Amino acid sequence: GQNIDQPTEMTATEGAIVQINCTYQTSGFNGLFWYQQHAGEAPTFLSYNVLDGLEEKGRFSSFLSRSKGYSYLLLKELQMKDSASYLCAVADSNYQLIWGAGTKLIIKP
Amino acid sequence: IAGITQAPTSQILAAGRRMTLRCTQDMRHNAMYWYRQDLGLGLRLIHYSNTAGTTGKGEVPDGYSVSRANTDDFPLTLASAVPSQTSVYFCASSEGGQDTGELFFGEGSRLTVL
Repeated sequence: GQNIDQPTEMTATEGAIVQINCTYQTSGFNGLFWYQQHAGEAPTFLSYNVLDGLEEKGRFSSFLSRSKGYSYLLLKELQMKDSASYLCAVADSNYQLIWGAGTKLIIKP
Repeated sequence: IAGITQAPTSQILAAGRRMTLRCTQDMRHNAMYWYRQDLGLGLRLIHYSNTAGTTGKGEVPDGYSVSRANTDDFPLTLASAVPSQTSVYFCASSEGGQDTGELFFGEGSRLTVL
């Protein structure tokens, strides 16, 4: 079966750095996505990785290792507004998105 | 403001009733999708449409139907609602396929079936 694993919940301190991991087992791989979802709101796109390595976009970076079936989202200089759920999704061999259950990130002052 | 509009935002429905969730986009995207989101589970695809006039089944299509008469509208119908269809439903769209780039989501429709 296809599976995306993420931690259910993480806690971090304002101003700090946090890394949210995502491991996947899918039938094929055609890209990995990270979305942010604030409570009660729609998911919004953060990043896309299809090749190994690090993609940096401001305070957020996303890393991919296809050989390990592993990705992480790195958030720097955490702000209270970063409190949200972070969703990892993988496009499989049929180009269908398989979604993880999301990681709820709690930021404390 | 460009984007996706869903209606209603929230609805309580008696089991056995018919319900249509509306979705309209003004970005002229080819592809549209309906997902459901349940606590502890990832988003699950119900139905999708790659272009106007075509639809396809996703991971959890049973009990739901869709139509795509034009580019902008993609309604989701529950023919006879059951309590297991209690969920938050998200409509989304993309320029290309869901694997090719950003998905744009509506604000969601919270449906409770009693």
